Amino acid sequence: RKEVEQDPGPFNVPEGATVAFNCTYSNSASQSFFWYRQDCRKEPKLLMSVYSSGNEDGRFTAQLNRASQYISLLIRDSKLSDSATYLCVVNMNTGFQKLVFGTGTRLLVSP
Amino acid sequence: SAVISQKPSRDICQRGTSLTIQCQVDSQVTMMFWYRQQPGQSLTLIATANQGSEATYESGFVIDKFPISRPNLTFSTLTVSNMSPEDSSIYLCSVDTMAAYGYTFGSGTRLTVV
Repeated sequence: RKEVEQDPGPFNVPEGATVAFNCTYSNSASQSFFWYRQDCRKEPKLLMSVYSSGNEDGRFTAQLNRASQYISLLIRDSKLSDSATYLCVVNMNTGFQKLVFGTGTRLLVSP
Repeated sequence: SAVISQKPSRDICQRGTSLTIQCQVDSQVTMMFWYRQQPGQSLTLIATANQGSEATYESGFVIDKFPISRPNLTFSTLTVSNMSPEDSSIYLCSVDTMAAYGYTFGSGTRLTVV
């Protein structure tokens, strides 16, 4: 089983749609979780951290379910500029900080 | 968050040669990380570089192939040695400024080995 698993997509949605991505992780001791966004030929950039209580930042909502070991990202009212690859990232906390990246979910928002 | 300057941004190299990639951070950081992103893949951690000690390499990566220097708290280099076409990839450095805020990445080095 991969340490972090994501559906690679692509998810093709029209502008204004709501889209959700899920991610599962294998290490139940993991403590920190993030969603990163990566545009084509660019470095990953932090979109949001994921907290146990869930968190929201504008159109973006992240949720963590520790019991089932999955993380979700919800994007409401999709914009063309949301088209990118979304990376689920888990800090494995294996004695020192170690980020493990999912393969990413590609989102394409069309007019 | 920290600002990272990574260079070169891209290079085309002959097989058998070596390339050294540099990362400069605008603040002092304890750990710096080097990742590889192969075409169409996600990021894979190569090694963790702490100042004053040898780098810690992940499974599948060895010091002879990817020597790392960390002379101070703001700078690190990764060398890709004796390159082959399989080393063609994007190499990224990263730092952990504050765990809750995630990690910041350099802009990456796109390496093509011919």
